[in-house]
Amino acid sequence: DAGITQSPRHKVTETGTPVTLRCHQTENHRYMYWYRQDPGHGLRLIHYSYGVKDTDKGEVSDGYSVSRSKTEDFLLTLESATSSQTSVYFCAISDRVSQPQHFGDGTRLSIL
Amino acid sequence: SQKIEQNSEALNIQEGKTATLTCNYTNYSPAYLQWYRQDPGRGPVFLLLIRENEKEKRKERLKVTFDTTLKQSLFHITASQPADSATYLCALDALGTGNQFYFGTGTSLTVIP
Repeated sequence: DAGITQSPRHKVTETGTPVTLRCHQTENHRYMYWYRQDPGHGLRLIHYSYGVKDTDKGEVSDGYSVSRSKTEDFLLTLESATSSQTSVYFCAISDRVSQPQHFGDGTRLSIL
Repeated sequence: SQKIEQNSEALNIQEGKTATLTCNYTNYSPAYLQWYRQDPGRGPVFLLLIRENEKEKRKERLKVTFDTTLKQSLFHITASQPADSATYLCALDALGTGNQFYFGTGTSLTVIP
């Protein structure tokens, strides 16, 4: 399996609090992605990165920000969590554009 | 709007039979199409990639077809086994959007012993 670690694996927090999810890779892949997965919607891209300090928005980026200060780490931040952001969040990596993505095992986030 | 549709219902088949899953899309011109497997509580795992100029791709018991005229991909698992039970996702690399992949909602497959 590709070396991808997501942390935390589970988190429960309250509306209005900031939350940061971490994705760490040991593959030295250039591209990193954050998705959310919800019933009836499938996987939807939140943000992605194509290099250190290079990021771009995905399909559902409102309410989320990201940072990538090192090749191996990609952080997803919810500045002020809302209940609609309750979801399972997946990080993925790939070494080239349009190539297979390798996914972490997800973070289950509940916002009460 | 852009849309990807997979078999809306769960698919149950008998062990040893061939499972066929569909992925239909509208308003895309994908250069690539990928299939992933997802088990409960786990992230998706890549299975196969097919390019727009390829009609068919095979890997062991798996076969994928890609018809850009029909805007459809079919995913076949031959000689299915209970261990093949999982949710299968198709994903499109929408041409012109760089690295962005769009995923279908998935089809849940159960192989009955």
